[in-house]
Amino acid sequence: QVQLVESGGGAVQPGGSLRLSCAASGFTFSNYGMHWVRQAPGKGLEWVAFIRYDESNKYYEDSVKGRFTISRDISKNTLYLQMNSLRAEDTAVYYCVKDGDSYFDFWGQGTQVTVSS
Amino acid sequence: DIQMTQSPSSLSASVGDRVTITCRASQSITSYLNWYQQRPGKAPKLLIYAASSLQSGVPSRFSGSGSGTDFTLTISSLQPEDFATYYCQQSDTTPFTFGPGTKVDIK
Repeated sequence: QVQLVESGGGAVQPGGSLRLSCAASGFTFSNYGMHWVRQAPGKGLEWVAFIRYDESNKYYEDSVKGRFTISRDISKNTLYLQMNSLRAEDTAVYYCVKDGDSYFDFWGQGTQVTVSS
Repeated sequence: DIQMTQSPSSLSASVGDRVTITCRASQSITSYLNWYQQRPGKAPKLLIYAASSLQSGVPSRFSGSGSGTDFTLTISSLQPEDFATYYCQQSDTTPFTFGPGTKVDIK
């Protein structure tokens, strides 16, 4: 069965950096695009970034462009999100999500990121 | 960006009730509309994709309809495990925006 396990979250000061990881299993990782989606405390869902299966294109939500970088390592079946210049408004649970061809078919359990001084 | 709205923002219903949630896109998204369920403290779960296709393993009491800008999620007979928040999402164009959610709780 598909499993997505996020790690790397934690508490960081404004301006700091974190790298999130997502270990994927139960499907052919190299055949599917992947997303990051976040949810601020008590708020709704916000799409953050997408990487195509072959890394040919990467897309970002405007507020994270230039600060966040999505990448993947096929040899490790792992998705990453490098987050730099973190702001208080980046505080959220970050979900790793498998793309099912224009829909988000499997979600990880999420990892908490807290940006605070 | 494509804006997504949902109504109502919350509703109270009883087990066995028929529940309908509507979602509207700010421009046509043809059928690139998905529905997710999120229970408290849990990750979202895909219910409906491409406006009306039922995701594998999802009970048949869930159904979706619509195209263009107006969409509907219907739960034909509400069950105790259906009390949750429901989100629509467009996958036509990046950024892939979500609606604000509809919280369904127990009357």
